[in-house]
Amino acid sequence: EAGVAQSPRYKIIEKRQSVAFWCNPISGHATLYWYQQILGQGPKLLIQFQNNGVVDDSQLPKDRFSAERLKGVDSTLKIQPAKLEDSAVYLCASSLLRGPPYEQYFGPGTRLTVT
Amino acid sequence: KNEVEQSPQNLTAQEGEFITINCSYSVGISALHWLQQHPGGGIVSLFMLSSGKKKHGRLIATINIQEKHSSLHITASHPRDSAVYICAAHSGSARQLTFGSGTQLTVLP
Repeated sequence: EAGVAQSPRYKIIEKRQSVAFWCNPISGHATLYWYQQILGQGPKLLIQFQNNGVVDDSQLPKDRFSAERLKGVDSTLKIQPAKLEDSAVYLCASSLLRGPPYEQYFGPGTRLTVT
Repeated sequence: KNEVEQSPQNLTAQEGEFITINCSYSVGISALHWLQQHPGGGIVSLFMLSSGKKKHGRLIATINIQEKHSSLHITASHPRDSAVYICAAHSGSARQLTFGSGTQLTVLP
């Protein structure tokens, strides 16, 4: 079974530029999560999708971050314009929708450096 | 105050030592996860448990629901165990995870 795919793996941009990350979850996983992990901290949830609907985006800085999952499968996360404090690893995860709390499967992450 | 607290933040051990990482949480949970993160950034799930104890190879995870505490043990530690270990509490109807800040483990040969 293929895991969660993310691209790119690494990205370096200057502040005020824009950047986009892509995630393809495990086939059949209805729930998709985007996390931001700043160095030395645990991941912080940015947005959670269930199919193509948003379940929770309360911690997404909506003035600069946006995310979509148009067909309920893969998803993109965009930052426009980037700030220095956006330097972090951006993790995508997916899980099954129903039943007991299923574990989340994480992708390899995208390491963003904003200079 | 973070809802999930881990200790220690950093841990250095000699190869072969028995290692314990602790996790305390203040929220009501339906399950607790132990995750491993290597320097490349990817996260691997080690255990998901809601009661008792689970064992996989040299790794053992325990949870005490009444005390809101979980431990991850590594027996006969090896340099390849060097990684960040993160506990995460699964709570709420939205199935979200609340993460600890991680424990950086370094096992020296």
